[in-house]
Amino acid sequence: QQQVKQSPQSLIVQKGGISIINCAYENTAFDYFPWYQQFPGKGPALLIAIRPDVSEKKEGRFTISFNKSAKQFSLHIMDSQPGDSATYFCAASIRWSAGNNRKLIWGLGTSLAVNP
Amino acid sequence: DGGITQSPKYLFRKEGQNVTLSCEQNLNHDAMYWYRQDPGQGLRLIYYSQIVNDFQKGDIAEGYSVSREKKESFPLTVTSAQKNPTAFYLCASSVTGTNTGELFFGEGSRLTVL
Repeated sequence: QQQVKQSPQSLIVQKGGISIINCAYENTAFDYFPWYQQFPGKGPALLIAIRPDVSEKKEGRFTISFNKSAKQFSLHIMDSQPGDSATYFCAASIRWSAGNNRKLIWGLGTSLAVNP
Repeated sequence: DGGITQSPKYLFRKEGQNVTLSCEQNLNHDAMYWYRQDPGQGLRLIYYSQIVNDFQKGDIAEGYSVSREKKESFPLTVTSAQKNPTAFYLCASSVTGTNTGELFFGEGSRLTVL
């Protein structure tokens, strides 16, 4: 119940195309869903995030779509660029049972390559 | 500039040797974390600390040890008991008590055991 399942594992898109990465979860206690972007040799960085009371959030070319009833959420990258080539991780946040902190449950990541 | 500094960036060690990876943050965050990253396996939590002088095991703590003597520092020791230590190690920090738990990561340390 603590898992976040991410697909596909890898994705190749042509420049200007749409990249779509999907994630699914089981635990309804998750209340915050971030996406992190990681370039080779670097640490991940928060890209965009959404709460379950919102069905969509858009920031520039990046959009999260959230389906609460299906327990699924996805990242859409419009007009994909070679500079978007990176590994993308979805995650789900839940309040820890002890302490005043939160735990992130991570998907396994999607390696995106955008061909020029 | 505020951030997380990990060192060294690359480290080579012989099998059976303990190694210590450094993590320093100047973000004034209470919580700090160590993750291990292997290809295709995502990020796995090794240890975390929510406050100075306190830390808890994560999902894969065996063969690792940590200390949290200062708020800014959270070093990770990879001991000889860790059976497969070659990996990319990421340190992160976060503010406690938020509604998001956003993590801020360092640039990682790549350990290769020969």
